[in-house]
Amino acid sequence: EAGVAQSPRYKIIEKRQSVAFWCNPISGHATLYWYQQILGQGPKLLIQFQNNGVVDDSQLPKDRFSAERLKGVDSTLKIQPAKLEDSAVYLCASSSLRGHYNEQFFGPGTRLTVL
Amino acid sequence: DAKTTQPTSMDCAEGRAANLPCNHSTISGNEYVYWYRQIHSQGPQYIIHGLKNNETNEMASLIITEDRKSSTLILPHATLRDTAVYYCIVRVAIYNQGGKLIFGQGTELSVKP
Repeated sequence: EAGVAQSPRYKIIEKRQSVAFWCNPISGHATLYWYQQILGQGPKLLIQFQNNGVVDDSQLPKDRFSAERLKGVDSTLKIQPAKLEDSAVYLCASSSLRGHYNEQFFGPGTRLTVL
Repeated sequence: DAKTTQPTSMDCAEGRAANLPCNHSTISGNEYVYWYRQIHSQGPQYIIHGLKNNETNEMASLIITEDRKSSTLILPHATLRDTAVYYCIVRVAIYNQGGKLIFGQGTELSVKP
């Protein structure tokens, strides 16, 4: 089966600009996650969707970050305006509600550099 | 979710077993131990999980101590492709329900020829 797809793979922007990342989860996976991974650290959850509803966005900086999952399939994460500290890899993951306990499948990530 | 402690880095010779320890002394009775790994420039990959019994799959074995306060991930015959950061995560798992993973710093395993 096809894995989690993300685009773009790399993005370089200047601070105060806007940027958007796209994620297409594994077909049929109801749960979708966005994680932020700063260099040298483990991934940190930003937001979790179940179908098209938000389950957990407690760590999402809502003044500048937004995410949506229209129709319960693919998802977009936006940053507006970007800050230097947003430089990180943004990982999308998905999981099925049936099967392994909380086995999450990750995409390759989008590496964002804010100058 | 319980906190985990792992060594920052480890080396292993190619073809030998890699034994990665994890301490989770505050684990609760309904919390599972999960292991994920992250190869450079890739997203994390699920390896294995367990509650209290030892588990084995095609990738690795998981040994959990009887008191459940620590565990060891074993890669029986490490190859260069096993070089990665290995994360030990403890959390409640409910079948048919998703939930966030809280990643720590992990152990950077270097497999050397």
